Amino acid sequence: DIQMTQSPSSLSASVGDRVTITCRASQGISNYLAWYQQRPGKVPELLIYAASTLQSGVPSRFSGSGSGTEFTLTISSLQPEDVATYYCQKYNSVPFTFGPGTKVDIK
Amino acid sequence: QVQLVQSGAEVKKPGASVKVSCKTSGYTFTGFFLHWVRQAPGQGLEWMGRIDAYSGATNCAQKFQDRVTMTRDTSVSTAYMELNSLKSDDTAEYYCAVSLIPVTDVRAFDSWGQGTVVTVSS
Repeated sequence: DIQMTQSPSSLSASVGDRVTITCRASQGISNYLAWYQQRPGKVPELLIYAASTLQSGVPSRFSGSGSGTEFTLTISSLQPEDVATYYCQKYNSVPFTFGPGTKVDIK
Repeated sequence: QVQLVQSGAEVKKPGASVKVSCKTSGYTFTGFFLHWVRQAPGQGLEWMGRIDAYSGATNCAQKFQDRVTMTRDTSVSTAYMELNSLKSDDTAEYYCAVSLIPVTDVRAFDSWGQGTVVTVSS
């Protein structure tokens, strides 16, 4: 099975900072990658699919890029409401494995 | 609007089984796969498996293949996940989720149930 990794595992940044999270797949998955945000105590929410397509209603400060084995999620200007854990997920074929998550908080 | 409503919290003893339901509305149940994801306390998301709501065919993560049964009842637009031989490390929140994104080959989960907490304790 393809393994998903994320880095860093956690980060602390100031409001207004640019934040970048990396997700890597152990084999190429084209652009079959999604990003989710899970705020504390809440259900995960889809942010991005097809590696770079913003889900409807998601603020434009979120963006995604990458293809193959390396992907990034960028928050252009971190806001207090972005405190959450972010997960990548492959969906090219089963199993639809999630990355281990990146916890983002405010410095 | 799309809704996935899960059954309530469960407390089970080790070795027992639990069956979680996911009642859907607002979309054509038989047109999509329904997935199950779990999250142990303080841990990440873990994909467990999926069921084709039309045919009933299932795919399961290898670690659950011997213990998970996924079924559906199309007459009530509801999917079920039964986990057998429960252990303490099965204590988790269990979610159902579906991809309704109308783009070819996109299977990201845009709708989720509210979660069902399953506690396994003697």
